[in-house]
Amino acid sequence: TQLLEQSPQFLSIQEGENLTVYCNSSSVFSSLQWYRQEPGEGPVLLVTVVTGGEVKKLKRLTFQFGDARKDSSLHITAAQPGDTGLYLCAGDNFGNEKLTFGTGTRLTIIP
Amino acid sequence: DVKVTQSSRYLVKRTGEKVFLECVQDMDHENMFWYRQDPGLGLRLIYFSYDVKMKEKGDIPEGYSVSREKKERFSLILESASTNQTSMYLCASTMGDRDHQPQHFGDGTRLSIL
Repeated sequence: TQLLEQSPQFLSIQEGENLTVYCNSSSVFSSLQWYRQEPGEGPVLLVTVVTGGEVKKLKRLTFQFGDARKDSSLHITAAQPGDTGLYLCAGDNFGNEKLTFGTGTRLTIIP
Repeated sequence: DVKVTQSSRYLVKRTGEKVFLECVQDMDHENMFWYRQDPGLGLRLIYFSYDVKMKEKGDIPEGYSVSREKKERFSLILESASTNQTSMYLCASTMGDRDHQPQHFGDGTRLSIL
């Protein structure tokens, strides 16, 4: 069974600070997706990274896929209270329709 | 926009009861999924369906079954509910036959087994 470990599991920081969340595996994935889940709702896709070494930016969020396609990171600049939520990474297993989800990082931004 | 609707937001049942969780999607997606979500464990796949009447076991199928009689509807069945099945259950759907498809999720059913 493939595993995706996320770190940290919990993170609580002040508004305006920067942070990085990590998603690591010993397995290779064809792509990596990042989702955010807010209380009472299902996860919503933020971004998909496909190519090893790829960097994608979504406003203050920067996503990177590792060169070997085994890991990914999410960096948030100048965090806002609206960034609060559960962040999940998910690996695509070379088109077999199923995703392997990470363990999740619960982020709280304190105003 | 894709809409995935789960029939109940909260459900309380007793040990030994047969429990049905329903999920409907409105975008003619081929693939549908059932997950359970527990703190620190992320989302774990229970069952997956890639077509009507077709199903495939996920990582934790024990104690569960599924039914997909129509393309838009995917049901999760707890044959005899137990307290260790208390959890958040999430349904999702995707189009088939395309790479890197995002999963579209419902808002979840929080199930408590007493």
